[in-house]
Amino acid sequence: DVKVTQSSRYLVKRTGEKVFLECVQDMDHENMFWYRQDPGLGLRLIYFSYDVKMKEKGDIPEGYSVSREKKERFSLILESASTNQTSMYLCASSLLTGSGNTIYFGEGSWLTVV
Amino acid sequence: QKEVEQNSGPLSVPEGAIASLNCTYSDRGSQSFFWYRQYSGKSPELIMSIYSNGDKEDGRFTAQLNKASQYVSLLIRDSQPSDSATYLCAADGGATNKLIFGTGTLLAVQP
Repeated sequence: DVKVTQSSRYLVKRTGEKVFLECVQDMDHENMFWYRQDPGLGLRLIYFSYDVKMKEKGDIPEGYSVSREKKERFSLILESASTNQTSMYLCASSLLTGSGNTIYFGEGSWLTVV
Repeated sequence: QKEVEQNSGPLSVPEGAIASLNCTYSDRGSQSFFWYRQYSGKSPELIMSIYSNGDKEDGRFTAQLNKASQYVSLLIRDSQPSDSATYLCAADGGATNKLIFGTGTLLAVQP
């Protein structure tokens, strides 16, 4: 089974703090993603990476950065947390094959910024 | 802007009935399609994928794809209260490695 692990499940941070969300996958997948999910807005892609040290902006990259130093690990960084970044953050990984690009999600990280 | 659209619901069905969830997509280049189930407070889990026109069955679930109409559906037979969740439809982004997600349909199965 694919395992995508988000180490921090529930966080409460203060406005202006730097926040790190870590994600590790154990299936040697090339692609990794960070989404946020808010009621009524669905899943919105923040950043994704298709290889080590490679990253591409998703639909809502502002206020976020990412790091992928190793294939299995993809980190999301909030440089200066703000209250509008309170959300559920989902990490995912995928392997692109001839049958398509199946994405598997981690359990999610609930971030509250106060 | 590539889009996947779903009716937000809620779709209410009695226990034992067939639940029919529908989805349309805008990018004719999309080749693969996915259904995820998401329970409240949990992350999405993959139910089914479909790549070819027609039906694909897996247990109580049947995915249907019609590329000419750009339409994907998920049928759940013998619906159970435990099927109550939000169902997300996703389509691959054509040449990209991204999936495009719909906003989901809330299904409520009434005992």
